[in-house]
Amino acid sequence: DGGITQSPKYLFRKEGQNVTLSCEQNLNHDAMYWYRQDPGQGLRLIYYSQIVNDFQKGDIAEGYSVSREKKESFPLTVTSAQKNPTAFYLCASSTGQEINYEQYFGPGTRLTVT
Amino acid sequence: AQSVTQLDSHVSVSEGTPVLLRCNYSSSYSPSLFWYVQHPNKGLQLLLKYTSAATLVKGINGFEAEFKKSETSFHLTKPSAHMSDAAEYFCVVSDRGGATNKLIFGTGTLLAVQP
Repeated sequence: DGGITQSPKYLFRKEGQNVTLSCEQNLNHDAMYWYRQDPGQGLRLIYYSQIVNDFQKGDIAEGYSVSREKKESFPLTVTSAQKNPTAFYLCASSTGQEINYEQYFGPGTRLTVT
Repeated sequence: AQSVTQLDSHVSVSEGTPVLLRCNYSSSYSPSLFWYVQHPNKGLQLLLKYTSAATLVKGINGFEAEFKKSETSFHLTKPSAHMSDAAEYFCVVSDRGGATNKLIFGTGTLLAVQP
């Protein structure tokens, strides 16, 4: 089955610790994205990557970092600099750069930091 | 810049009655528009998309949406609600301001279906 996997589904961390969220896709998509979802706010773009070894900041990149060393993988690190990291994180991918290409989403990771 | 407004944060319908979820968009260009659905603690699933072809777009699970340029609207409808339709729905517009496939999400409409 082709798709996007995110692991783990639930993640708990202590404040001050960095944490890495996994995102893997086997759809052979060039572009990948990370979103953060908070209640009543829709989805906000954290980082995106259009091609391997390249990525761009989204609207709320502060306190986050990413890498894109392989086409199928786009891990997100939530650093201790992120002031409010507790949220639902969604990874997505799309076939390319065309603006009418829909994005396909993974099942999400719910991060709780205490 | 592109933006999208979902006019209702919550909608409640009875099973078997019509569904209407409202969305207005703002765009300087001819937009691409999408509706996604999200069930609790799940990822988003594409329901349908408009990309400047037919203005009436049919999607999965009996949903459809009509692009009305004069009203800058892209409302989502379904003739008869089913219990399984209870979920959150997002109206989305593509960002034609840049060179990338960035999507701009509305704040969502939570649909409740009463038995």
